[in-house]
Amino acid sequence: GESVGLHLPTLSVQEGDNSIINCAYSNSASDYFIWYKQESGKGPQFIIDIRSNMDKRQGQRVTVLLNKTVKHLSLQIAATQPGDSAVYFCAEFTGNQFYFGTGTSLTVIP
Amino acid sequence: EADIYQTPRYLVIGTGKKITLECSQTMGHDKMYWYQQDPGMELHLIHYSYGVNSTEKGDLSSESTVSRIRTEHFPLTLESARPSHTSQYLCASTGTVEQYFGPGTRLTVT
Repeated sequence: GESVGLHLPTLSVQEGDNSIINCAYSNSASDYFIWYKQESGKGPQFIIDIRSNMDKRQGQRVTVLLNKTVKHLSLQIAATQPGDSAVYFCAEFTGNQFYFGTGTSLTVIP
Repeated sequence: EADIYQTPRYLVIGTGKKITLECSQTMGHDKMYWYQQDPGMELHLIHYSYGVNSTEKGDLSSESTVSRIRTEHFPLTLESARPSHTSQYLCASTGTVEQYFGPGTRLTVT
């Protein structure tokens, strides 16, 4: 199977600071990569995706960076808010399947 | 807000019982997926479907079956529930890139 892993299982940040969540992947042939946010008791929610032919993509308060040389993906959240506290998953889409990594739990300290 | 629904949200059932977890979506998506997720862990693919009358097995498919008679409906059946099936089950559908998840069914087998 595919290997998609996150470097840190937990991350705590002060409210207003920027957060960076990292992810490593193994399949260089993946079509695109996705970040999800999962709050307690809910299903994952799509945040942002990036195609394999891109290096950077920005959304509302979020930026995803893709480094294909080292097979690394990161999610940057600007001005982190308490509502950002959740588990964040990266996933890669290869063929017709999504492969998910173990989540990183982000805690925002007020 | 994603238009994908799962019932029941919570289920406690005894060992050996047959159960069906329901999933429906109103977005007209062809691709649908079932995942199993333990708390704080990655999602494991159980089954997926590319459209009506199409079903494929994922990594954890051996003890369950699915059917896709209608585009909007993708039920998952456990023929004989066991305590090892205790987990959260997430249904998802995909249009183009974004994968929408339902709220999940939390299953406990006693």
